[in-house]
Amino acid sequence: QSALTQPASVSGSPGQSITISCTGTSSDIGTYNYVSWYQQHPGKAPKLLIYDVTYRPSGVSNRFSGSKSGNTASLTISGLQAEDEADYYCSSYTSSSNLVFGGGTRLTVL
Amino acid sequence: QVTLKESGPALVKATQSLTLTCTFSGFSLNTVGLRVSWIRQPPGKALEWLARIDWDDDKFYNTSLKTRLTISKDTSKNQVVLTMTNMDPVDTATYYCARNGYASYYFDYWGQGTLVTVSS
Repeated sequence: QSALTQPASVSGSPGQSITISCTGTSSDIGTYNYVSWYQQHPGKAPKLLIYDVTYRPSGVSNRFSGSKSGNTASLTISGLQAEDEADYYCSSYTSSSNLVFGGGTRLTVL
Repeated sequence: QVTLKESGPALVKATQSLTLTCTFSGFSLNTVGLRVSWIRQPPGKALEWLARIDWDDDKFYNTSLKTRLTISKDTSKNQVVLTMTNMDPVDTATYYCARNGYASYYFDYWGQGTLVTVSS
């Protein structure tokens, strides 16, 4: 099972919006609505941001939103803040009953 | 309040087996729909899902690592145990346990992680 494809890095200025893509295949993202997104600050455990493509857990800012089209899922962060600087990972359930992560995207807030 | 905590050796030698324990609180793996997974992250690299055990004792493994992994649970102790055989230096990583969302595939609560170094 190959990892999902994410851009290695993205950047944006405070207040701007950015989108991180996550590309899979018809065996994972394309078939299942089990895409989730995680934020990870250095030395910390990942934190759930989005689950089942579009749902936001209680306590997560509404500046974070998720979507999916075909084999690609996306995470959008609006109103960028300095504390958003972190690594972001997507994941998806797969047809082989596995769970696959993306390679991670480093977000830099300029 | 849901918490999870990993424990196990910080250092293992190549070819040895690794046994990690996840001790959790705030939920029971006897509850229908609940699941616990293990995930690892080599230094500076991406997350990798390893295995999952469900409330009904169903077990699922990363296809690439399946022959080396065994997951089990002890509901009386609120623990999930992962064993990985034939360790190699490339298995050096922070190992996390995490609770899956109800009957789903996302991870809503994570442990702090434990760094395991494999020496050659």
